[in-house]
Amino acid sequence: GQNIDQPTEMTATEGAIVQINCTYQTSGFNGLFWYQQHAGEAPTFLSYNVLDGLEEKGRFSSFLSRSKGYSYLLLKELQMKDSASYLCAVLDSNYQLIWGAGTKLIIKP
Amino acid sequence: GAVVSQHPSWVICKSGTSVKIECRSLDFQATTMFWYRQFPKQSLMLMATSNEGSKATYEQGVEKDKFLINHASLTLSTLTVTSAHPEDSSFYICSARLQEHEQYFGPGTRLTVT
Repeated sequence: GQNIDQPTEMTATEGAIVQINCTYQTSGFNGLFWYQQHAGEAPTFLSYNVLDGLEEKGRFSSFLSRSKGYSYLLLKELQMKDSASYLCAVLDSNYQLIWGAGTKLIIKP
Repeated sequence: GAVVSQHPSWVICKSGTSVKIECRSLDFQATTMFWYRQFPKQSLMLMATSNEGSKATYEQGVEKDKFLINHASLTLSTLTVTSAHPEDSSFYICSARLQEHEQYFGPGTRLTVT
């Protein structure tokens, strides 16, 4: 079966750094996405990784290791507005998105 | 670019009635659109894949006669919840595929069935 695992909830302090991990087992791989979702809103795109390595985009970075079936999203200089759920999703061999359950990130002052 | 809209953004209806939700890709053509449902504190659940000009592909456990999907043009897909019941109350989100790895989400429709 297909499976994506990420922590249910994480807490971090404003101004700090947090890393949200995601591991996956899917039938085929055509890339991994990270989305941010605020309560009551639709997900918004953060990053897409299809090759191994680190992609940096401002305060957010995303890392992928295909051999390990592993990715992480790194958030730096945390702000209160970063409090949201972060969804990991993998594009499988049929180009269908397989979704993780999401990680709720709580930022404390 | 790559904007997807949904209408309505929220709707309240009585049990037994039907509700239609529209999903439009505003600045691109999408041969494939997806419909998701999200219950509180849960992740997105794919309901169906909608392909322009053909029948939608429903995920296991999703009743195709209850959730009618029509993708009549390259910019519009509709989801009709027929004979809605309170357990159908949820956040319905559509997305449209621009390219194989590019998928853009609509803002979602919150449905409340009383």
